[in-house]
Amino acid sequence: AQSVTQLGSHVSVSEGALVLLRCNYSSSVPPYLFWYVQYPNQGLQLLLKYTSAATLVKGINGFEAEFKKSETSFHLTKPSAHMSDAAEYFCAVSSYSSASKIIFGSGTRLSIRP
Amino acid sequence: NAGVTQTPKFQVLKTGQSMTLQCAQDMNHNSMYWYRQDPGMGLRLIYYSASEGTTDKGEVPNGYNVSRLNKREFSLRLESAAPSQTSVYFCASSVGQGAVDEQYFGPGTRLTVT
Repeated sequence: AQSVTQLGSHVSVSEGALVLLRCNYSSSVPPYLFWYVQYPNQGLQLLLKYTSAATLVKGINGFEAEFKKSETSFHLTKPSAHMSDAAEYFCAVSSYSSASKIIFGSGTRLSIRP
Repeated sequence: NAGVTQTPKFQVLKTGQSMTLQCAQDMNHNSMYWYRQDPGMGLRLIYYSASEGTTDKGEVPNGYNVSRLNKREFSLRLESAAPSQTSVYFCASSVGQGAVDEQYFGPGTRLTVT
């Protein structure tokens, strides 16, 4: 069975501060892992994905995530937050090769304080 | 190049009414998907079409039907709407049906069933 848990439904950081969004997964086999971003009134957009190559994955807009098998985690980070990063972020996991088996987390809303 | 378009953007239905949500993509993608997004939950797959001429059930297909009209268009029909179907509906498309194939999402349809 596979599952994904996002810790914290809402995270607030100051502009320029480190962004850390947490994601833990459960999978019986090496998974594919994804982070998506959803800006207000828009659809989801892929930020980055892990597909068993490098454990540190770099994505768009300065985000990156590190796959840690021992911790079953795939946390999303950005060194310095911008106001434009305010959005909802979804972690997703798939233990299967088909897109129909992707499981999405419940999301973390990121707010940026001026 | 519009990407993935969805109509309508908003809809209010009474219980028992029917409606069809339309989705079209202009990226020549083979696979298309319908998801629903509910507060505090991640996206859940309703139906998908791996290629033109095929459709399959996802995680939450009850109460819905789909039609892959051609390679570009994938519609979702609610035959007899229920309040439990109040949700935001997203259509997505991808080149292939693999989990690693990036999905491109439309802007969503916000449906309220009273």
